[in-house]
Amino acid sequence: RKEVEQDPGPFNVPEGATVAFNCTYSNSASQSFFWYRQDCRKEPKLLMSVYSSGNEDGRFTAQLNRASQYISLLIRDSKLSDSATYLCVVRSRGSSNTGKLIFGQGTTLQVKP
Amino acid sequence: DAGITQSPRHKVTETGTPVTLRCHQTENHRYMYWYRQDPGHGLRLIHYSYGVKDTDKGEVSDGYSVSRSKTEDFLLTLESATSSQTSVYFCASRTSDKNTGELFFGEGSRLTVL
Repeated sequence: RKEVEQDPGPFNVPEGATVAFNCTYSNSASQSFFWYRQDCRKEPKLLMSVYSSGNEDGRFTAQLNRASQYISLLIRDSKLSDSATYLCVVRSRGSSNTGKLIFGQGTTLQVKP
Repeated sequence: DAGITQSPRHKVTETGTPVTLRCHQTENHRYMYWYRQDPGHGLRLIHYSYGVKDTDKGEVSDGYSVSRSKTEDFLLTLESATSSQTSVYFCASRTSDKNTGELFFGEGSRLTVL
């Protein structure tokens, strides 16, 4: 079983739609959680961190459920420019206390006009 | 954006040849990472470094070695390239702030092993 799992999609939605992605992780000792965005043939970039109480950044809302070991990303009022791959990232304690960052395989979102 | 560059950006080589990819960062970041990205697998950690001369294995380290002789440089070496190592390789770095998960990535190096 992969340490971090995501539904690869693609999710095809019309502009203005609300879409949600989930991500599950297997290591109950995981410490920190993040969502990254990756545009086609580009490097990943941090979208937002995920806090225990849930957090919002404009149209984006991230939530963490430690008991069920999953995190979610909700995008409201989808824009064409939201089309990208969204990567779930989990930080676990590494053997050298460095905190390895493990990526899910990503969920692809296509927003259509 | 953090100053992190990779070289070469594209390389085609033959099976059995050695290959070295270079990652250079100008942010004085303590931690550096090498990932490979393949369809269906996403980003997988190869090796990482938590300081000069301090490195550790990731989940797909077989066939790869790394070196970090200076804070700013992290080298990834394929001693004898195989076709299964055809991939896009990303280098990343981050600060020593344990509360941040923000990795700054290079633009990637596309390696083709024939």
